[in-house]
Parts: sequence; C-alpha cells; structure tokens
Amino acid sequence: NAGVTQTPKFQVLKTGQSMTLQCAQDMNHEYMSWYRQDPGMGLRLIHYSVGAGITDQGEVPNGYNVSRSTTEDFPLRLLSAAPSQTSVYFCATSGSSGANVLTFGAGSRLTVL
Amino acid sequence: AQRVTQPEKLLSVFKGAPVELKCNYSYSGSPELFWYVQYSRQRLQLLLRHISRESIKGFTADLNKGETSFHLKKPFAQEEDSAMYYCALRGSGNTGKLIFGQGTTLQVKP
Repeated sequence: NAGVTQTPKFQVLKTGQSMTLQCAQDMNHEYMSWYRQDPGMGLRLIHYSVGAGITDQGEVPNGYNVSRSTTEDFPLRLLSAAPSQTSVYFCATSGSSGANVLTFGAGSRLTVL
Repeated sequence: AQRVTQPEKLLSVFKGAPVELKCNYSYSGSPELFWYVQYSRQRLQLLLRHISRESIKGFTADLNKGETSFHLKKPFAQEEDSAMYYCALRGSGNTGKLIFGQGTTLQVKP
C-alpha cells in the first residue's frame, strides 16, 4: 500500500521548459490537490479535484494545468516554467468520509533556472 | 476573506519548557481547524483537529471563537517535537481544500 506517490523527487528546469509532476494514489480517495510550499508563505493551494473529470483552481493556479482522467492520478503540468515556480510541490488526497484529513505525498522539489 | 496567520516563523525552547504555537484565523461561518506537522525527512501529517478535542503526543489545541485563535500547546517540550507546524482552516465546501498558515518551526534544545 504505497499511499500517495509523487515523481520526480527533484527536478531542475530552464526557464521556458515544460514538465509534468506526477501524483498517484492507491487509497481510492475522491479528493486530490496540489500545494506549493515556499518559505514564509506556508502551503498554498494550486489546483484541486473532487473526482475524475472534475478540477478547479485554488489560490495560485497561474502557470499550472491539471487534469483528472482517473481516480488514481492527478498530474500537475508546468507549461512554460518560470523562476517564480521554484518551490516544493505536494500532492495531497482525502476521502469523502474524512475530507479534511489530508494524506500527503513526499514532495517534489523543483528548481527553475 | 479566509485566512490563517501564524505570527512566529521560529520558536525555540529548551527541553521541558512549555510550548505555545500561535494560530489566528479569519473565517465567516463555523470554522474547522487543524494542526499539521512535518518532522525532518517525513511527510506532512495531521497532528490534531479541533472537532476531535483530543491530545496527541501531549499536544492540545482549543478553538477560541471570541479571539479567533487555535493555539497549539504542550506543557513540557521534548526534543522529538522539533518540526515544522502548520495551522490549517477548512476552505469553502467540504472537499479537502485547506487554507494553511505560514508555518512555525519549533526547535527544542537539549
């Protein structure tokens, strides 16, 4: 039982490059979300999903795209990376019976040069 | 606006001293609050939530609606309590959206 798996753990990009951060869960949780963690800013919600085919924007969605074609996967796409997107990204999931008890992935550290 | 404020970036105490990590919130409605913790080289995890009114690892937190606060307290800090602590507020709806504070690093010195 892996829980929430994020890949890659580390990534370095050049400005303008694109990439996808992967998030997979095996807990059959309905809700999935992406947060970014920055010093002094805490965790900020980027995008979230309440089920397959349904996504919505969080607090800081600009520059990021998401899709949810299956219950298990919730990839986060950076279309044209910018230095301001240097951060640690966390995927989190929860089920409808405990919607606000989040299970987090290990995080993905992204550096944009 | 929904907001969570943790005024201290770093709280440093000696082992055995009392600890209070401050959290204030802004929310119109009935708030639901949480404390999450991230120990070194571990994942973020739930520490406690106000609706459970429980003590976890010796920590307690009481919701004070008058002062809009949810401070985390422990009477005697241990070195293993050293971690980053986040206060969080349930966002609109009940769909796993949380609003987090800026985080407080607790450092417990021997």
